[in-house]
Amino acid sequence: GAGVSQSPSNKVTEKGKDVELRCDPISGHTALYWYRQSLGQGLEFLIYFQGNSAPDKSGLPSDRFSAERTGGSVSTLTIQRTQQEDSAVYLCASSLIGAGGYTFGSGTRLTVV
Amino acid sequence: AQTVTQSQPEMSVQEAETVTLSCTYDTSENNYYLFWYKQPPSRQMILVIRQEAYKQQNATENRFSVNFQKAAKSFSLKISDSQLGDTAMYFCAFTPAGTYKYIFGTGTRLKVLA
Repeated sequence: GAGVSQSPSNKVTEKGKDVELRCDPISGHTALYWYRQSLGQGLEFLIYFQGNSAPDKSGLPSDRFSAERTGGSVSTLTIQRTQQEDSAVYLCASSLIGAGGYTFGSGTRLTVV
Repeated sequence: AQTVTQSQPEMSVQEAETVTLSCTYDTSENNYYLFWYKQPPSRQMILVIRQEAYKQQNATENRFSVNFQKAAKSFSLKISDSQLGDTAMYFCAFTPAGTYKYIFGTGTRLKVLA
């Protein structure tokens, strides 16, 4: 696609429920990233996918968080048993190899009530 | 640890004036990249400008320019002729060459006043 697409744009969920956030990167971009943006904070790295290599999951805050990338394209970030501290904007980005800069999606605002 | 610091949580500037946003970083790397991203209310992060550490010349993109001081580990963003559409959060980011994780600052909220 022309840009990085994320869905849903906003999600309100009850504490304890599972949620899935979707990211559709730019076609041809081999690298895909998930970041979390909490109120008043910078962006916190969560996970990185590059081609067929094993993902870098070092930023996932707990084992309730997982992500997959199917067919080297679409990625899903899953949060199980959501907690109020999971409330944040979850941003996805994609890029070609190198440091030309990420292209970000518009994010998913997750609110856990 | 590598860190990025933006010491100005909020700033405002009159339309058509010039404003400078500060960013400092801490690293032992010699080769790296620095970025400024803009995040308007739409939430989408937009790349404003990019600087390669091995280039001494400051990057410029239209009304946006940087003052890159490698020895001081400083990377400020100057916005000239500010426009209402420049109102946004601005994030400074750093990544060592050959890596992929970006380290972001906490952002500066800029408001351009009519």
